[in-house]
Amino acid sequence: GENVEQHPSTLSVQEGDSAVIKCTYSDSASNYFPWYKQELGKRPQLIIDIRSNVGEKKDQRIAVTLNKTAKHFSLHITETQPEDSAVYFCAAIPGYSSASKIIFGSGTRLSIRP
Amino acid sequence: NAGVTQTPKFRILKIGQSMTLQCTQDMNHNYMYWYRQDPGMGLKLIYYSVGAGITDKGEVPNGYNVSRSTTEDFPLRLELAAPSQTSVYFCASRQGTSGEETQYFGPGTRLLVL
Repeated sequence: GENVEQHPSTLSVQEGDSAVIKCTYSDSASNYFPWYKQELGKRPQLIIDIRSNVGEKKDQRIAVTLNKTAKHFSLHITETQPEDSAVYFCAAIPGYSSASKIIFGSGTRLSIRP
Repeated sequence: NAGVTQTPKFRILKIGQSMTLQCTQDMNHNYMYWYRQDPGMGLKLIYYSVGAGITDKGEVPNGYNVSRSTTEDFPLRLELAAPSQTSVYFCASRQGTSGEETQYFGPGTRLLVL
């Protein structure tokens, strides 16, 4: 079945440094790739997304890149700040026949060291 | 526009009791979902619905039931509560059409079964 793998499971970076989280997907027909941030005790919230006809998208300090050939996509956070500490989930919507469900990765716990 | 709302916020159940977790969305979304999230873990899909009158199992449906009589409401029923059902339950919804893929989560219901 459809699968999204996410790495690393935990990541600790110095404040001000960059953080990169990587995901791979199995369904080559997948066409939408959102990233969610979940702060402690809160709900997951969308922070950025990318569609399959775009290779890169940026929003201030965060960016997402997509490599359709390799079936992987990544989240980049630059100039990390304490408020970036959270769990991040990547996700993908599979091809049309399975488009009713978003497939989530297992999550990355990002910690920002002061 | 309240988005996705869930009640109750927190509940303690005794083993063998039953309860219904309520979920309502006011965005006229077709797709609705129930996830559970155990401490420090990812999101597991329990049940989902692609429209009123249509429901389907996710990856962990045992011990739960759902119904979708209206577009707005998607209650989750727990019968014979067990300690293994101690978790945080998130309801979510999305439109499901091209260009409207964003999935929105409710604030969650924290359930403790003792």
